Amino acid sequence: TQLLEQSPQFLSIQEGENLTVYCNSSSVFSSLQWYRQEPGEGPVLLVTVVTGGEVKKLKRLTFQFGDARKDSSLHITAAQPGDTGLYLCAGASSGGSNYKLTFGKGTLLTVNP
Amino acid sequence: GAVVSQHPSRVICKSGTSVKIECRSLDFQATTMFWYRQFPKKSLMLMATSNEGSKATYEQGVEKDKFLINHASLTLSTLTVTSAHPEDSSFYICSVRGLGNTIYFGEGSWLTVV
Repeated sequence: TQLLEQSPQFLSIQEGENLTVYCNSSSVFSSLQWYRQEPGEGPVLLVTVVTGGEVKKLKRLTFQFGDARKDSSLHITAAQPGDTGLYLCAGASSGGSNYKLTFGKGTLLTVNP
Repeated sequence: GAVVSQHPSRVICKSGTSVKIECRSLDFQATTMFWYRQFPKKSLMLMATSNEGSKATYEQGVEKDKFLINHASLTLSTLTVTSAHPEDSSFYICSVRGLGNTIYFGEGSWLTVV
């Protein structure tokens, strides 16, 4: 069973601060995805990283995939109250009929104005 | 617009009854759908993988006779919670595997068993 350790589980910061969320595993994933979820809604895909060492930027969000494709990080610069939500990392197993996502435990981020 | 639609979004049922949740792929045919369960402020727990035309693959610890999954067509999968108990109350989310292994999530269904 592939496991994803996501940390921190809870994070409460002030507007304007920076933060980093980590996602680590002992397993190699074919790709890793980051989602953001609002209460009572389904997760919304933020980014997919596929290549080891890959870095992707989405406005104030920077995503990095580890060289060995076992870990990933999400860095938010100058956080805003609108960034509040549950952030989930998910590792994808290999393709084919056995494809599935394994989710980390999530990071509940609260950005206070 | 939405790619995946779940229905109902909220349902309340009495203990001991069964309730069905539908997951529809709106934009494309989906041979594989996934069902997740989520508790408040917690992550998604994969319950089962629904395969069109064959039996669902359940994750360890998930009772297949309690959570019946049917994937009768390429656009519809259903999850039936049988003999529901209050502890089955939860947020149930489905997702669809699209082209390039992109995963699209439904809006989720809140189940409350009273």
